[in-house]
Amino acid sequence: DVKVTQSSRYLVKRTGEKVFLECVQDMDHENMFWYRQDPGLGLRLIYFSYDVKMKEKGDIPEGYSVSREKKERFSLILESASTNQTSMYLCASSSPGWVGETQYFGPGTRLLVL
Amino acid sequence: GENVEQHPSTLSVQEGDSAVIKCTYSDSASNYFPWYKQELGKGPQLIIDIRSNVGEKKDQRIAVTLNKTAKHFSLHITETQPEDSAVYFCAATTITGTASKLTFGTGTRLQVTL
Repeated sequence: DVKVTQSSRYLVKRTGEKVFLECVQDMDHENMFWYRQDPGLGLRLIYFSYDVKMKEKGDIPEGYSVSREKKERFSLILESASTNQTSMYLCASSSPGWVGETQYFGPGTRLLVL
Repeated sequence: GENVEQHPSTLSVQEGDSAVIKCTYSDSASNYFPWYKQELGKGPQLIIDIRSNVGEKKDQRIAVTLNKTAKHFSLHITETQPEDSAVYFCAATTITGTASKLTFGTGTRLQVTL
């Protein structure tokens, strides 16, 4: 059974803290994605990676960075957390090579920045 | 870039009735349109998809239709059941670099009442 796991379901951080969100997939997928989900805005792509050490900006990369040192792990980093980064963060993975590959999502991390 | 609009934002139907969710997209190059279902506390999961060379696709009680000329696609759920209650997202795929990128609609919260 395919599985994408995220390190925390709930996280509370203070403004200015450095925050790490971890995502691990066990499907040997090349592509990994980070989205944030906000009410009324749907899912918006922050960053994605199509190979180890490779990354591309999504639609809303400002205030975020990512790291992909191993194929199965994709980390989202908030260098200095701000209250407007309070949100649900979803990680996904997919196999490459053709249009229309299914993205498999983790359960999400709900982040509250105080 | 691609822009996907989704309507309605909330939908309440009685058990056994049909539900229809509509989406429009802006990029005529988009050629793959998946639908995801997100149950409470879980990440989105693919339920059905359609490619641009197909006008309609059906899988048991759910069906999708695509009108490429008008740039809109719809999800139809017949004989709704309480377990259909969830948030539904449409998406359109665009190719960027070496990975395809999904642009999501803003979601429809479907409530099936007894």
